[in-house]
Amino acid sequence: EPEVTQTPSHQVTQMGQEVILRCVPISNHLYFYWYRQILGQKVEFLVSFYNNEISEKSEIFDDQFSVERPDGSNFTLKIRSTKLEDSAMYFCASRPPGVANTGELFFGEGSRLTVL
Amino acid sequence: AQSVAQPEDQVNVAEGNPLTVKCTYSVSGNPYLFWYVQYPNRGLQFLLKYITGDNLVKGSYGFEAEFNKSQTSFHLKKPSALVSDSALYFCAVRSGGSYIPTFGRGTSLIVHP
Repeated sequence: EPEVTQTPSHQVTQMGQEVILRCVPISNHLYFYWYRQILGQKVEFLVSFYNNEISEKSEIFDDQFSVERPDGSNFTLKIRSTKLEDSAMYFCASRPPGVANTGELFFGEGSRLTVL
Repeated sequence: AQSVAQPEDQVNVAEGNPLTVKCTYSVSGNPYLFWYVQYPNRGLQFLLKYITGDNLVKGSYGFEAEFNKSQTSFHLKKPSALVSDSALYFCAVRSGGSYIPTFGRGTSLIVHP
């Protein structure tokens, strides 16, 4: 069964460093998402991406964040200058196209980011 | 704005007993409601959804959920819990005009042998 894969599973970084989290969505999916979950808190929406551009973003997704799909398969989340409060589990998700789709998302296993 | 509340951080139940994991929601218009499950070291997996139709929806692994419009609830249920059901359960909602579901904080279900 096809699945969303994420790398790395865990990354530890120093405050102020740049990190890139990578995701390979399911191959026929066209809509891509990043969510994050700070320990003990809600799973929060960051950004959605369709047709090579951001379709929606939350207020969390400020100028330090960016996304891109550089090669037609990977979908990356870049955090330019990490802060302590960026420590969280970051989930990539995707969904297929079509009007029959009722919106359930397919999630990866997550990338845990620890900022020291 | 849309939101989800999962009032219990943890639910404990004995194996073989029925279980309920609670969820209430707030959304403009008709809700699209979802339950996801997260096993340790795994991503969130879709369990079931309510879009329209019967208020009782059935999903994977014997789970079901009941949509109650007047109480704005969508509680997850299972008649007989298994130890293997122990996991983190997330409720999510979106409106008909958005494909961005809003998730709750999750409820940890612990099923004791």
